Amino acid sequence: QTVVTQEPSLTVSPGGTVTLTCASGTGAVTSGYYPNWFQQKPGQAPRALIYGTSNKYSWTPARFSGSLLGDKAALTLSGVQPEDEAEYYCLLYYGGAQGSWVFGGGTKLTVL
Amino acid sequence: QVQLQESGPGLVKPSQTLSLTCTVSGGSISSGNYYWSWIRQPAGKGLEWIGRIYTSGSTNYNPSLKSRVTISLDTSKNQFSLNLTSVTAADTAVYYCARVFETWGQGTLVTVSS
Repeated sequence: QTVVTQEPSLTVSPGGTVTLTCASGTGAVTSGYYPNWFQQKPGQAPRALIYGTSNKYSWTPARFSGSLLGDKAALTLSGVQPEDEAEYYCLLYYGGAQGSWVFGGGTKLTVL
Repeated sequence: QVQLQESGPGLVKPSQTLSLTCTVSGGSISSGNYYWSWIRQPAGKGLEWIGRIYTSGSTNYNPSLKSRVTISLDTSKNQFSLNLTSVTAADTAVYYCARVFETWGQGTLVTVSS
């Protein structure tokens, strides 16, 4: 199955900026992969943050933004807060006949 | 506000069928252009997409699970369901249901063990 790769872990200082990336084993990530981003804290269900590369939900804090960066999808946190410490997952769509979605392995973000 | 709740046995024996139901409240499962998904997460590991069903009844499945998975819709009960056959210990996980990907249930732990 297709592999979607994220940084295993990142560390950022409070108030800082960090970018998480999401790469596809099949090549460059484009808007056609409809990148989604999720935040998951221990013991909780994932919470959706971004859909369709850069679209935010009504509950998504303004400091979160999604984009395409080079050949990857990216999630940028600007002005990081302590409560942003969590696992972050990206999700990509692989269309065609099977129309399947594949999650990345997740990035553990530490705010220190 | 739509809410989702997973339910089903917490323990399934190897080689048997895992069956879970997701009950939707706060909205009709058959209204709107949505699809309804199942996702799972083994303890300490990442998320895995299992499959989805549209309100039309059409489905898509994870290719690695396709031979064992069936997702169905019961509009009369406002529910959708997951059946996973021939389970092994590798199927032990927290199972989540979701509307598209923006609304998720709280998840239910299913353990495969004799």
